[in-house]
Amino acid sequence: AQSVTQLDSQVPVFEEAPVELRCNYSSSVSVYLFWYVQYPNQGLQLLLKYLSGSTLVKGINGFEAEFNKSQTSFHLRKPSVHISDTAEYFCAVSKYSGAGSYQLTFGKGTKLSVIP
Amino acid sequence: DTAVSQTPKYLVTQMGNDKSIKCEQNLGHDTMYWYKQDSKKFLKIMFSYNNKELIINETVPNRFSPKSPDKAHLNLHINSLELGDSAVYFCASSPQGRVGEQFFGPGTRLTVL
Repeated sequence: AQSVTQLDSQVPVFEEAPVELRCNYSSSVSVYLFWYVQYPNQGLQLLLKYLSGSTLVKGINGFEAEFNKSQTSFHLRKPSVHISDTAEYFCAVSKYSGAGSYQLTFGKGTKLSVIP
Repeated sequence: DTAVSQTPKYLVTQMGNDKSIKCEQNLGHDTMYWYKQDSKKFLKIMFSYNNKELIINETVPNRFSPKSPDKAHLNLHINSLELGDSAVYFCASSPQGRVGEQFFGPGTRLTVL
């Protein structure tokens, strides 16, 4: 079975400081990993994804993540955060569920609070 | 131009009632999903349909019944509502073969009193 663990439930950080949101995965087969963001009172939006190839993945809004197979991690980073980055961030793993569709299993989320 | 829309946005109802939530996507995607997000923000998949065919049916009480009249719509009907059904329900859709890439609706906040 595939699963993801987000190590921090809340991360406060000052504006313009760097941030890292941690995610570890568990899988016995090839993994497809994702980060989604949920702004207050909205649905989720894809930030970035790792399917294969380069282990450093760049996403929207200046975020990037690094796939580390030996440490089974997929941490999300941003060098300088803005107030508008305040949101809930979800790490997810995907598996094929048939008929061309892929199921997502989400971590419990990390609430990023950017302090002015 | 809303990509994935849900109605209603808020739903407040009494225990024991039956209610429906509607979802529509105009992205031309083949697969649609329902997720439940609890008060601690934990997201869990409930159902998935591909081109009107049920693909995923997680451990969900049979009071929940999805219906897909066509591939652009996936509705969720809930019978005999219970307090524990209070949550935010998200609809999502994904294009064929695009691994894990899902487009989410704005959510329906269901409150059962």
